[in-house]
Amino acid sequence: AQKITQTQPGMFVQEKEAVTLDCTYDTSDPSYGLFWYKQPSSGEMIFLIYQGSYDQQNATEGRYSLNFQKARKSANLVISASQLGDSAMYFCAMREGNPGTASKLTFGTGTRLQVTL
Amino acid sequence: EPEVTQTPSHQVTQMGQEVILRCVPISNHLYFYWYRQILGQKVEFLVSFYNNEISEKSEIFDDQFSVERPDGSNFTLKIRSTKLEDSAMYFCASKQTGALHDTQYFGPGTRLTVL
Repeated sequence: AQKITQTQPGMFVQEKEAVTLDCTYDTSDPSYGLFWYKQPSSGEMIFLIYQGSYDQQNATEGRYSLNFQKARKSANLVISASQLGDSAMYFCAMREGNPGTASKLTFGTGTRLQVTL
Repeated sequence: EPEVTQTPSHQVTQMGQEVILRCVPISNHLYFYWYRQILGQKVEFLVSFYNNEISEKSEIFDDQFSVERPDGSNFTLKIRSTKLEDSAMYFCASKQTGALHDTQYFGPGTRLTVL
């Protein structure tokens, strides 16, 4: 089974609208972390937001928020007030095990977001 | 703001040749990683490194691959005899120690093309 599933290969959103990018995960480890990264066409991987499995509140970073539903094992990224510069590939990733260790990230297949005028 | 740097940005090599990809992690980070991304595919973990030794490696990271921290700042990935299927973007990442600093920060990548 895939550890990280992103079911939307591509999404379109109009400028200034909000968009939700889906991510579901699969782990039996009680301690894990969920991350979202943005990859623009230039290729770099830009960290956006992090949610720990024990965090009581949903993470927020500026226009990015993470809709964390632990029972459903989902960690959807919400981008509010989309901008043209948000057009990029978005990857969901998971770290299994305790934070502060050398644990690797496992990535999903990504969602390509296109923001239109 | 400190960032992870990687050199070269693009490397073209002939099959069977050795390549060394270089990374300078963020200065106070102690965990180091290499990932790769074949064109159009997802990012895959290769190896993690801490305290001058490999912490974990994936099945991709076979005997053709090695990592080294030759000095206090560089972190290198060597591919001894490149194959066509090694063509990919290679990302270095680093992370601080401590549970409050769990984010891996990625470098801009090195695009490796094996001919």
